[in-house]
Amino acid sequence: QLQLVESGGGVVQPGTSLRLSCVASGFIFSNYGMHWVRQAPGKGLDWVASMWYVRDNKNYAASVKGRFTISRDNSKNTLYLQMNSLRADDTAIYYCVRGGSCSGSNCLQEPFDLWGQGTLVTVSS
Amino acid sequence: DIVMTQSPESLAVSLGETATINCKSSQNIFHSSNNKNYFAWYQQKPGQPPKLLIYWASTRESWVPDRFSGSGSGSAFTLTITSLQAEDVAVYYCQQYYNSPYTFGQGTNLQIK
Repeated sequence: QLQLVESGGGVVQPGTSLRLSCVASGFIFSNYGMHWVRQAPGKGLDWVASMWYVRDNKNYAASVKGRFTISRDNSKNTLYLQMNSLRADDTAIYYCVRGGSCSGSNCLQEPFDLWGQGTLVTVSS
Repeated sequence: DIVMTQSPESLAVSLGETATINCKSSQNIFHSSNNKNYFAWYQQKPGQPPKLLIYWASTRESWVPDRFSGSGSGSAFTLTITSLQAEDVAVYYCQQYYNSPYTFGQGTNLQIK
């Protein structure tokens, strides 16, 4: 069964770090582009970061670049988001999302077709 | 960055009537190499993650009833929901996946009148 399960959220103080994990199942993880998308309480959707296995291609939203690092371990079917120097405006539900596929070294950006249930990160003093 | 502008922000429609949501992108998101618009609609119900509803501007996901349709090309797109049902109450988001950052519209809150 196709599934993404996030973990690692919690309540942290400003300036600290947190690492989110997302375990994928039901599909060949290494063949897909993976993303983190966040949603602040009562707000809209905000793309955070993406990573392709091929060419180790990573992209970040301007608001998190230099503070957040996306990575993946294809042997464990797991996507990560290392979040450093957290700020109050990073408070959100963080969703792990599948979007895009690769055939060999040829990758195609595709819609975000599989979402996890999300993990809540609260940054507060 | 490509800016996605949705309208209206909220919408109340009677059961059985038609709801129309519009979305404009600040630049063309049609890729001539494969003749595809890199554009999607998502549905989000309270307490749930978003679900992909329509992609490539007009292709419905397998779970989506044919009351839902997507149209448009280039930089202007429309989501139409005919014969509105109570279970269609949700927030609807548009998105471009043409370029990183993969931006979303601000959302349209659809309610029953």
